Amino acid sequence: GNSVTQMEGPVTLSEEAFLTINCTYTATGYPSLFWYVQYPGEGLQLLLKATKADDKGSNKGFEATYRKETTSFHLEKGSVQVSDSAVYFCALHINQGGKLIFGQGTELSVKP
Amino acid sequence: NAGVTQTPKFQVLKTGQSMTLQCAQDMNHNSMYWYRQDPGMGLRLIYYSASEGTTDKGEVPNGYNVSRLNKREFSLRLESAAPSQTSVYFCASSEGVNQGYGSYNEQFFGPGTRLTVL
Repeated sequence: GNSVTQMEGPVTLSEEAFLTINCTYTATGYPSLFWYVQYPGEGLQLLLKATKADDKGSNKGFEATYRKETTSFHLEKGSVQVSDSAVYFCALHINQGGKLIFGQGTELSVKP
Repeated sequence: NAGVTQTPKFQVLKTGQSMTLQCAQDMNHNSMYWYRQDPGMGLRLIYYSASEGTTDKGEVPNGYNVSRLNKREFSLRLESAAPSQTSVYFCASSEGVNQGYGSYNEQFFGPGTRLTVL
């Protein structure tokens, strides 16, 4: 079946540290891949996406590369800020309507 | 521009009570979705509506019903609430349900409803 697995949280970093949140997936066909972010008390927002192998999605200093050979879509940021504290969800979209399949989420806490 | 709105924001029910969660979007989107979010499990799709007048089951539909009242509104009803339905519920909308490789319409999420069933 189709599924997404993320590294478990919480992840606690100091400001300006390097961030990696691992995401791997299992899917039939050719999925599109996404990272969504959920700030405290809010709904999810799309952070970045990649629709085919080797695509790199980027936004707000975050990046993720669609690696078909390792079935991965790891999220990275070179220097995190306190304002990046949130829960991050990796998700995939398969060509069956608009349904998204989410990972379990990874909580990030950035300390000043 | 309000985007996706949900009411109520918080609700406490007793086992067996019923309630309806309301969702509305002002982006003229065709498709709408209901998800539940549980610790350690991400978001799981309950029901979705690809377009006005249609609804389909998602991953976890048991114990829920939905109504696509019009293009703007998509409600979720719990007929007889159970403690297992304690969760945070999110409504989302998108321009349309996509078909075809590489096509995707971004889903926009509401702020959520935190429901506790005692």
